[in-house]
Amino acid sequence: KAGVTQTPRYLIKTRGQQVTLSCSPISGHRSVSWYQQTPGQGLQFLFEYFSETQRNKGNFPGRFSGRQFSNSRSEMNVSTLELGDSALYLCASSPRTGGGGELFFGEGSRLTVL
Amino acid sequence: DQQVKQNSPSLSVQEGRISILNCDYTNSMFDYFLWYKKYPAEGPTFLISISSIKDKNEDGRFTVFLNKSAKHLSLHIVPSQPGDSAVYFCAAAGRTGGFKTIFGAGTRLFVKA
Repeated sequence: KAGVTQTPRYLIKTRGQQVTLSCSPISGHRSVSWYQQTPGQGLQFLFEYFSETQRNKGNFPGRFSGRQFSNSRSEMNVSTLELGDSALYLCASSPRTGGGGELFFGEGSRLTVL
Repeated sequence: DQQVKQNSPSLSVQEGRISILNCDYTNSMFDYFLWYKKYPAEGPTFLISISSIKDKNEDGRFTVFLNKSAKHLSLHIVPSQPGDSAVYFCAAAGRTGGFKTIFGAGTRLFVKA
Protein backbone atom coordinates (compact mmCIF):
# COMPACT_ATOMS: atom_id res chain seq x y z
CA LYS A 1 0.00 0.00 0.00
CA ALA A 2 1.51 3.36 -0.98
CA GLY A 3 2.24 5.75 1.86
CA VAL A 4 1.33 9.39 2.27
CA THR A 5 2.74 11.46 -0.57
CA GLN A 6 3.52 15.15 -0.24
CA THR A 7 4.53 17.49 -3.03
CA PRO A 8 6.65 19.42 -3.52
CA ARG A 9 9.35 18.17 -1.15
CA TYR A 10 11.31 21.41 -1.17
CA LEU A 11 10.45 24.91 -2.24
CA ILE A 12 11.76 28.42 -1.86
CA LYS A 13 9.52 31.47 -1.90
CA THR A 14 9.92 35.14 -1.12
CA ARG A 15 7.98 37.21 1.36
CA GLY A 16 4.53 38.20 0.18
CA GLN A 17 4.14 35.27 -2.18
CA GLN A 18 1.72 32.43 -1.67
CA VAL A 19 2.28 28.70 -1.71
CA THR A 20 0.15 25.60 -2.19
CA LEU A 21 1.20 22.22 -0.80
CA SER A 22 -0.38 18.94 -1.76
CA CYS A 23 -0.98 15.72 0.13
CA SER A 24 -2.22 12.36 -1.11
CA PRO A 25 -3.28 10.14 1.80
CA ILE A 26 -3.03 6.39 2.04
CA SER A 27 -5.73 4.76 -0.04
CA GLY A 28 -8.90 4.40 2.03
CA HIS A 29 -7.90 7.02 4.58
CA ARG A 30 -10.45 9.80 4.78
CA SER A 31 -8.83 11.99 7.42
CA VAL A 32 -5.97 14.32 6.55
CA SER A 33 -4.23 16.50 9.14
CA TRP A 34 -1.60 19.15 8.57
CA TYR A 35 1.19 20.09 10.98
CA GLN A 36 3.93 22.69 10.96
CA GLN A 37 7.29 21.68 12.39
CA THR A 38 9.82 24.30 13.43
CA PRO A 39 12.94 23.83 15.60
CA GLY A 40 12.02 23.86 19.28
CA GLN A 41 8.27 24.03 18.63
CA GLY A 42 7.57 20.45 17.73
CA LEU A 43 4.59 19.72 15.55
CA GLN A 44 2.00 22.47 15.63
CA PHE A 45 -1.47 21.42 14.51
CA LEU A 46 -2.84 23.40 11.57
CA PHE A 47 -6.10 21.68 10.63
CA GLU A 48 -7.80 18.38 9.95
CA TYR A 49 -10.13 17.45 7.13
CA PHE A 50 -12.45 14.47 7.00
CA SER A 51 -14.76 13.74 4.10
CA GLU A 52 -14.09 17.19 2.60
CA THR A 53 -15.07 18.98 5.83
CA GLN A 54 -12.71 20.80 8.16
CA ARG A 55 -13.13 19.07 11.51
CA ASN A 56 -10.52 20.90 13.56
CA LYS A 57 -8.41 23.99 13.31
CA GLY A 58 -5.29 25.05 15.19
CA ASN A 59 -4.21 28.52 16.29
CA PHE A 60 -2.84 29.82 13.03
CA PRO A 61 -3.78 33.05 11.25
CA GLY A 62 -6.25 33.09 8.40
CA ARG A 63 -3.37 33.18 5.90
CA PHE A 64 -3.23 29.42 6.41
CA SER A 65 -6.05 27.56 4.71
CA GLY A 66 -6.77 24.13 3.39
CA ARG A 67 -9.23 21.99 1.59
CA GLN A 68 -9.94 18.37 0.86
CA PHE A 69 -11.22 16.86 -2.35
CA SER A 70 -13.66 14.02 -2.90
CA ASN A 71 -10.78 11.58 -3.42
CA SER A 72 -9.43 12.59 0.05
CA ARG A 73 -6.43 14.41 -1.41
CA SER A 74 -5.76 17.62 0.45
CA GLU A 75 -4.08 20.92 -0.22
CA MET A 76 -2.97 23.65 2.13
CA ASN A 77 -2.32 27.21 1.10
CA VAL A 78 -0.34 29.94 2.79
CA SER A 79 -0.85 33.44 1.47
CA THR A 80 1.27 36.55 2.00
CA LEU A 81 4.25 34.52 3.15
CA GLU A 82 6.33 35.73 6.08
CA LEU A 83 9.87 34.75 7.06
CA GLY A 84 8.46 32.91 10.08
CA ASP A 85 6.51 30.59 7.81
CA SER A 86 9.74 28.79 6.95
CA ALA A 87 9.18 25.29 8.27
CA LEU A 88 8.59 21.66 7.47
CA TYR A 89 4.92 21.09 6.69
CA LEU A 90 3.78 17.58 7.43
CA CYS A 91 0.64 15.88 6.29
CA ALA A 92 -0.77 12.85 8.08
CA SER A 93 -3.62 10.56 7.14
CA SER A 94 -5.79 8.29 9.21
CA PRO A 95 -8.67 5.96 8.43
CA ARG A 96 -10.90 7.80 10.89
CA THR A 97 -11.29 11.17 12.52
CA GLY A 98 -11.48 11.91 16.21
CA GLY A 99 -7.86 11.64 17.24
CA GLY A 100 -6.39 8.86 19.30
CA GLY A 101 -5.57 6.68 16.38
CA GLU A 102 -2.26 6.25 14.67
CA LEU A 103 -1.36 8.97 12.20
CA PHE A 104 0.58 8.07 9.06
CA PHE A 105 2.87 10.90 8.04
CA GLY A 106 4.34 11.89 4.74
CA GLU A 107 7.94 13.02 4.41
CA GLY A 108 6.93 16.65 4.48
CA SER A 109 7.32 19.75 2.34
CA ARG A 110 10.16 22.00 3.42
CA LEU A 111 9.34 25.63 2.77
CA THR A 112 11.96 28.33 2.90
CA VAL A 113 10.80 31.94 2.78
CA LEU A 114 13.43 34.49 1.83
CA ASP B 1 -0.66 27.09 25.50
CA GLN B 2 1.52 23.98 25.42
CA GLN B 3 -0.69 21.12 26.50
CA VAL B 4 2.00 18.50 25.90
CA LYS B 5 5.50 19.23 27.13
CA GLN B 6 8.80 17.49 26.58
CA ASN B 7 11.22 19.44 28.72
CA SER B 8 14.40 17.70 27.62
CA PRO B 9 15.48 18.84 24.15
CA SER B 10 18.11 16.10 23.98
CA LEU B 11 19.31 12.95 25.70
CA SER B 12 22.53 10.99 25.26
CA VAL B 13 22.76 7.32 26.23
CA GLN B 14 25.35 4.58 25.86
CA GLU B 15 24.47 1.62 23.66
CA GLY B 16 22.94 -1.21 25.67
CA ARG B 17 21.75 1.04 28.48
CA ILE B 18 18.23 2.25 29.14
CA SER B 19 16.85 5.40 27.50
CA ILE B 20 14.06 7.18 29.37
CA LEU B 21 12.16 9.93 27.58
CA ASN B 22 9.68 11.98 29.57
CA CYS B 23 6.51 13.84 28.70
CA ASP B 24 4.06 15.91 30.77
CA TYR B 25 0.58 17.02 29.87
CA THR B 26 -1.64 19.64 31.40
CA ASN B 27 -5.17 18.43 30.85
CA SER B 28 -6.51 15.29 32.50
CA MET B 29 -9.14 14.87 29.78
CA PHE B 30 -6.66 13.43 27.30
CA ASP B 31 -7.51 9.76 26.93
CA TYR B 32 -4.95 8.44 24.50
CA PHE B 33 -1.20 8.95 24.34
CA LEU B 34 1.25 8.08 21.60
CA TRP B 35 4.96 8.18 20.88
CA TYR B 36 6.37 8.85 17.42
CA LYS B 37 9.93 8.58 16.17
CA LYS B 38 11.36 10.82 13.49
CA TYR B 39 14.57 10.41 11.49
CA PRO B 40 16.00 13.33 9.47
CA ALA B 41 14.33 13.86 6.10
CA GLU B 42 11.52 11.47 7.01
CA GLY B 43 8.06 11.92 8.46
CA PRO B 44 7.33 10.79 12.02
CA THR B 45 6.40 7.13 12.42
CA PHE B 46 4.21 5.67 15.12
CA LEU B 47 6.06 3.80 17.83
CA ILE B 48 3.76 2.87 20.69
CA SER B 49 0.59 4.10 22.37
CA ILE B 50 -1.30 3.79 25.63
CA SER B 51 -4.89 4.34 26.60
CA SER B 52 -5.68 6.34 29.72
CA ILE B 53 -7.26 3.28 31.31
CA LYS B 54 -3.86 1.58 31.43
CA ASP B 55 -0.64 2.45 33.20
CA LYS B 56 1.79 0.42 31.11
CA ASN B 57 2.11 -0.86 27.56
CA GLU B 58 5.02 -2.88 26.26
CA ASP B 59 6.17 -3.68 22.74
CA GLY B 60 9.51 -5.39 22.47
CA ARG B 61 12.26 -3.03 23.64
CA PHE B 62 9.78 -0.18 24.07
CA THR B 63 7.60 0.38 27.13
CA VAL B 64 5.37 3.35 27.83
CA PHE B 65 4.33 4.18 31.39
CA LEU B 66 1.44 6.47 32.25
CA ASN B 67 1.00 8.19 35.61
CA LYS B 68 -2.35 9.94 35.42
CA SER B 69 -2.18 11.52 38.87
CA ALA B 70 1.07 13.22 37.89
CA LYS B 71 -0.05 13.82 34.28
CA HIS B 72 3.20 12.25 33.19
CA LEU B 73 4.22 9.56 30.77
CA SER B 74 7.56 8.11 29.88
CA LEU B 75 9.04 5.95 27.15
CA HIS B 76 11.65 3.38 28.12
CA ILE B 77 13.92 1.83 25.51
CA VAL B 78 15.87 -1.20 26.72
CA PRO B 79 18.46 -1.93 25.51
CA SER B 80 19.20 1.19 23.52
CA GLN B 81 20.73 0.76 20.08
CA PRO B 82 22.51 3.25 17.81
CA GLY B 83 19.60 2.92 15.34
CA ASP B 84 17.32 4.38 18.00
CA SER B 85 19.01 7.75 17.57
CA ALA B 86 16.18 9.99 16.39
CA VAL B 87 13.77 12.66 17.58
CA TYR B 88 10.96 11.27 19.73
CA PHE B 89 7.63 13.07 19.93
CA CYS B 90 5.07 12.55 22.62
CA ALA B 91 1.46 13.10 21.55
CA ALA B 92 -1.93 13.18 23.22
CA ALA B 93 -5.45 13.00 21.90
CA GLY B 94 -8.98 12.98 23.16
CA ARG B 95 -12.06 15.06 23.70
CA THR B 96 -10.16 17.82 25.47
CA GLY B 97 -8.19 18.54 22.35
CA GLY B 98 -11.29 18.63 20.22
CA PHE B 99 -10.20 15.20 19.08
CA LYS B 100 -7.08 16.50 17.39
CA THR B 101 -3.69 14.97 18.20
CA ILE B 102 -1.38 17.39 20.01
CA PHE B 103 2.37 16.92 19.94
CA GLY B 104 5.19 17.92 22.22
CA ALA B 105 8.34 19.69 21.05
CA GLY B 106 10.33 16.45 20.80
CA THR B 107 13.43 15.01 22.43
CA ARG B 108 16.49 14.18 20.35
CA LEU B 109 18.00 10.89 21.49
CA PHE B 110 21.64 10.09 20.80
CA VAL B 111 22.70 6.49 21.39
CA LYS B 112 26.48 6.20 21.46
CA ALA B 113 28.13 2.99 20.31
